[in-house]
Amino acid sequence: QKEVEQNSGPLSVPEGAIASLNCTYSDRGSQSFFWYRQYSGKSPELIMFIYSNGDKEDGRFTAQLNKASQYVSLLIRDSQPSDSATYLCAVTGLIFGTGTRLQVFP
Amino acid sequence: GAVVSQHPSRVICKSGTSVKIECRSLDFQATTMFWYRQFPKQSLMLMATSNEGSKATYEQGVEKDKFLINHASLTLSTLTVTSAHPEDSSFYICSARDGSPPLHFGNGTRLTVT
Repeated sequence: QKEVEQNSGPLSVPEGAIASLNCTYSDRGSQSFFWYRQYSGKSPELIMFIYSNGDKEDGRFTAQLNKASQYVSLLIRDSQPSDSATYLCAVTGLIFGTGTRLQVFP
Repeated sequence: GAVVSQHPSRVICKSGTSVKIECRSLDFQATTMFWYRQFPKQSLMLMATSNEGSKATYEQGVEKDKFLINHASLTLSTLTVTSAHPEDSSFYICSARDGSPPLHFGNGTRLTVT
């Protein structure tokens, strides 16, 4: 059974802080990893994807991948209240974690 | 960017009736589409993989005869929930990809069975 694990949260951070979201996966052969943001009642929207070990930055977002430890993380810098949502980690693009709810308070 | 249109966005039906949900890729050809179901406060659960011109591949535990999937063209896949019951009430989401990841999601369909 391929699994993707996330802490359900909520993760509460003040506006302007860094939010750190983590995800672990069980299938060592996984090659592609995705972070989606989902607002309540809406479909997921892609934030970032990462294929190689290390960091990948896009604006305020940084994805980090460590295949040896089988975890992938998402850092959100300068968090804004509009970032408040559930963040879904997906492996190979098809298997999703349960998501971490992020709350950014002013 | 790649756009996936899903219709209807919301449907209410009576128990025992069937409901059809459409998923269209508007600006690309999708040889493969995916259907997910999401219950409140839970993650997306992959129901089936829909391949153009062939039978869908269902995930374990998903009833083929209840959730009929048709992928008649490169831009259209449909999911029909047959003889719907209240426990089928959920958020159904389709997605597609234009050859390689990532997935492009439709806006979802909120199904309520009374």
